[in-house]
Amino acid sequence: NAGVTQTPKFQVLKTGQSMTLQCAQDMNHEYMSWYRQDPGMGLRLIHYSVGAGITDQGEVPNGYNVSRSTTEDFPLRLLSAAPSQTSVYFCASSKEYGELFFGEGSRLTVL
Amino acid sequence: AQTVTQSQPEMSVQEAETVTLSCTYDTSESDYYLFWYKQPPSRQMILVIRQEAYKQQNATENRFSVNFQKAAKSFSLKISDSQLGDAAMYFCAYRSMGSQGNLIFGKGTKLSVKP
Repeated sequence: NAGVTQTPKFQVLKTGQSMTLQCAQDMNHEYMSWYRQDPGMGLRLIHYSVGAGITDQGEVPNGYNVSRSTTEDFPLRLLSAAPSQTSVYFCASSKEYGELFFGEGSRLTVL
Repeated sequence: AQTVTQSQPEMSVQEAETVTLSCTYDTSESDYYLFWYKQPPSRQMILVIRQEAYKQQNATENRFSVNFQKAAKSFSLKISDSQLGDAAMYFCAYRSMGSQGNLIFGKGTKLSVKP
């Protein structure tokens, strides 16, 4: 039972570097999303997708790109990392209705 | 836009006692979901309980139950017989019905359990 798999779990970047956080789910969920979690802020939505080829922006999309070429995968790209992007990132998926299933999170530090 | 408010940044409970975490939300919709998620130090997000707004009966999962007051837009979580393993961050979340409904989170309540 893999569920939602995120990689890497930890990453340190220098300002200006780019990277991709990978997310894959094996539950055939149409809905996938990325959140970031910062102290005292809860989880805030970055981008989401309701199916292959369809993506949209959430509350805090600046500095991030996503694509959804398959139902299973939903990578998050940081184009030019900034210290403000230091955070814990969660990928999540769900059926059309109901609760989200989360990955284990990825802790990103930008120096 | 919908909002979710958790007014208690931190709570503490004695082991075996009962504690209630508060959550209020704002929406103009009539059909939606409400959830409580638990985040232990491992940072994994674990679903504790869910409530569909059209159901008047309060959801219950073992020691966890909710008090859902739709008119008051209140959704509190009661933990009975608290255990050390209940220590965690607890997030209240709202989701609209429908495939494009995104989960909106409160800022969380940190629960400590004293032995």
